[in-house]
Amino acid sequence: NAGVTQTPKFRVLKTGQSMTLLCAQDMNHEYMYWYRQDPGMGLRLIHYSVGEGTTAKGEVPDGYNVSRLKKQNFLLGLESAAPSQTSVYFCASSYPGTSGSTYNEQFFGPGTRLTVL
Amino acid sequence: RKEVEQDPGPFNVPEGATVAFNCTYSNSASQSFFWYRQDCRKEPKLLMSVYSSGNEDGRFTAQLNRASQYISLLIRDSKLSDSATYLCVVSQGAQKLVFGQGTRLTINP
Repeated sequence: NAGVTQTPKFRVLKTGQSMTLLCAQDMNHEYMYWYRQDPGMGLRLIHYSVGEGTTAKGEVPDGYNVSRLKKQNFLLGLESAAPSQTSVYFCASSYPGTSGSTYNEQFFGPGTRLTVL
Repeated sequence: RKEVEQDPGPFNVPEGATVAFNCTYSNSASQSFFWYRQDCRKEPKLLMSVYSSGNEDGRFTAQLNRASQYISLLIRDSKLSDSATYLCVVSQGAQKLVFGQGTRLTINP
């Protein structure tokens, strides 16, 4: 059981380049999330998905797109990278909350460190 | 004002000491509360949930005060391995978690 994996682990881009970050989970989780973590800011939600074929915006979605074509994969795309997107990106997944609860533990991947020059 | 606020620290305490972290949240509709732990250059991992009645897990005790919108974490008999950043996390439903910026703790031998 690999849990949540992310590809790549590190990447350096030039301003204006594009790239896709891949997240995969083998826990059969319905929900998946993309966060970014910046110094002094905590983790902020970029986009999330509550099931295959569905996506929704989080707190900081601008400049990013996502797709969830398969239940186990959640892709994060940067169409035209900017220096402000230099960050550590974490993917997470979880089961839906149980009846009467709106939360279930989120499991995080190891992160992708992205630098945009 | 940030939705979830924590003292960023760093806290430097000797091994064996008791250390307490506090956290406040601004949205009174928040429904669930947690502490996550994040080691240096690693991903966050759930440490414990926080309930109104208070809950304990070994050396760790978490408390929630809904009236004051305040969450705390107490670590007793601290170990070197407790050195990490502790994230206060609040859920406002629909699987959305709001993270505090984290409190960095270093336990010194």
